[in-house]
Amino acid sequence: EVQLVESGGGLVQPGGSLRLSCAASGFTFSSYWMSWVRQAPGKGLEWVANIKQDGSEKYYVDSVKGRFTISRDNAKNSLYLQMNSLRAEDTAVYYCARKRFDWFDPWGQGTLVTVSS
Amino acid sequence: QSVLTQPPSVSGAPGQRVTISCTGSSSNIGAGYDVHWYQQLPGTAPKLLIYGNSNRPSGVPDRFSGSKSGTSASLAITGLQAEDEADYYCQSYDSSLSGRREVFGGGTKLTVL
Repeated sequence: EVQLVESGGGLVQPGGSLRLSCAASGFTFSSYWMSWVRQAPGKGLEWVANIKQDGSEKYYVDSVKGRFTISRDNAKNSLYLQMNSLRAEDTAVYYCARKRFDWFDPWGQGTLVTVSS
Repeated sequence: QSVLTQPPSVSGAPGQRVTISCTGSSSNIGAGYDVHWYQQLPGTAPKLLIYGNSNRPSGVPDRFSGSKSGTSASLAITGLQAEDEADYYCQSYDSSLSGRREVFGGGTKLTVL
């Protein structure tokens, strides 16, 4: 069974940092682009970042460029999102998702990041 | 404000047919990019419902169908059931000065009356 499990969310003060992890299983992790998508409380979905199979290409939504870094460790079947200089507007549930061609499937259960003082 | 526009809410009685629209522009759907749909049941993660405009993943009932024309796409649900009550999101690509990026609609809440 294909499975994605996120971890690392929590409460952080504005300007702080947090590192999210996503453990993948049930498929050949190194063969797929991977992504992070977030959802602010009561709001819609927003794509955050993509990373190529070998990590050589990374893409970000404008609002997180220079603050967030997506990375992966294919030996550990893991995806990461390093989030620095966090702002209140970064408060959201962060989902890890496998990218298949142009779409996302499947999604993890999500991890909540709350940025507040 | 989302790049792709969806109605905030739709409703229908059990057994009825409802449609959810997803309106874009010449920089996304109108540029030829495919549209995908996701279902998000209350308190859960999104789940792929339709990919490549009109294709259903294995396990998705044929009551769900998708179409695309011009700068818009639609999701149709026939034989509405109580368990279809959820939020639905469309997704595509958008080409801008920043490059090509994934974009979502604002989501549509389906209420089964």
